[in-house]
Amino acid sequence: DVKVTQSSRYLVKRTGEKVFLECVQDMDHENMFWYRQDPGLGLRLIYFSYDVKMKEKGDIPEGYSVSREKKERFSLILESASTNQTSMYLCASQEQTYGYTFGSGTRLTVV
Amino acid sequence: GIQVEQSPPDLILQEGANSTLRCNFSDSVNNLQWFHQNPWGQLINLFYIPSGTKQNGRLSATTVATERYSLLYISSSQTTDSGVYFCAVGYFGNEKLTFGTGTRLTIIP
Repeated sequence: DVKVTQSSRYLVKRTGEKVFLECVQDMDHENMFWYRQDPGLGLRLIYFSYDVKMKEKGDIPEGYSVSREKKERFSLILESASTNQTSMYLCASQEQTYGYTFGSGTRLTVV
Repeated sequence: GIQVEQSPPDLILQEGANSTLRCNFSDSVNNLQWFHQNPWGQLINLFYIPSGTKQNGRLSATTVATERYSLLYISSSQTTDSGVYFCAVGYFGNEKLTFGTGTRLTIIP
């Protein structure tokens, strides 16, 4: 089975901190994604990557950046965390024409 | 952008009952997936079903792409089926998915 691992289950950070959320997949998938999930707003795409060093903005990229230096790892970076970035962050990977596999999520609280 | 509507928003059933969840979408798609999010937040892919019918145990799904809807059937519900079910759609060659707002299913023992 494909495994997608997110480095932290819960994270508390202070406003203004730089925050790194890590995601690793073990199946050589080309596509990787970062979503955030908020009550009443559902899942919204932040960024995705279809190959090493390749990235595309999703629907809500403001305040975020990403890094994909190796195929298995896709990092989400909050340059200067703000309270409105408190959310559940979900990473997913996908092989072409197959379904997504999600990680277990990181619940980030910015205080 | 593409719109995805799921119905009903909430469903409460007794254990053993059957249910049908519906997903309508506003444009032609080549990628449609159903997910189950358990009470701990983990999203599990149930089906990749851009068209046709698939079955996996007590769950089955049908997508009628020409009429822009998909149905998820759950038979003989168990308490472990509780959670939120999401439908997500996308276009061929574009792997980004747009998610519906989900159906929250609660199975009562």
